[in-house]
Amino acid sequence: QKEVEQNSGPLSVPEGAIASLNCTYSDRGSQSFFWYRQYSGKSPELIMFIYSNGDKEDGRFTAQLNKASQYVSLLIRDSQPSDSATYLCAVNTNAGKSTFGDGTTLTVKP
Amino acid sequence: EAQVTQNPRYLITVTGKKLTVTCSQNMNHEYMSWYRQDPGLGLRQIYYSMNVEVTDKGDVPEGYKVSRKEKRNFPLILESPSPNQTSLYFCASSVGGYSEAFFGQGTRLTVV
Repeated sequence: QKEVEQNSGPLSVPEGAIASLNCTYSDRGSQSFFWYRQYSGKSPELIMFIYSNGDKEDGRFTAQLNKASQYVSLLIRDSQPSDSATYLCAVNTNAGKSTFGDGTTLTVKP
Repeated sequence: EAQVTQNPRYLITVTGKKLTVTCSQNMNHEYMSWYRQDPGLGLRQIYYSMNVEVTDKGDVPEGYKVSRKEKRNFPLILESPSPNQTSLYFCASSVGGYSEAFFGQGTRLTVV
């Protein structure tokens, strides 16, 4: 079992729809959770981070964390073609170890 | 401008020829890390450093060395590169091991 698993893609949604990206992790010692966006050929850039159970909203993005279920998700509302990218889930322990999922490629069709 | 700078951006080398990829950050971050990214495999952590003179192995440390002699620099050393180390490498820094990472531009390494 992989330490961090993301829903397999690719994921395609029409413009204006909600895109839902999911991630599960196996290490119960994980303390911080991140979603990065990576455009083809570019570096990852932070979209959201979340440390506590519950929802965290930032503009069109909402991150959800459930530590009991070892699950973290990212919702993108009103998806735009510019949101088309690969989304990486990352999980960190306090000791500094950082584990990424394989990524989910999202395409938003106009 | 706050940034993480890697050099070189592109490198083609031959098997067994020692090389160093440099990484420097100007944000006074404590934590730095190296990753490799291969198609379909996301990012895999090679080594990380919580502070000067403190380094730890990530998930794929074999064939790599690092050092952290000063806070701003974290070079990645391949003593004897092999073709299976052909990959896209990213350096990243953050305030601490628990916080979000700022990535360098990436180094595309080809070992022939």
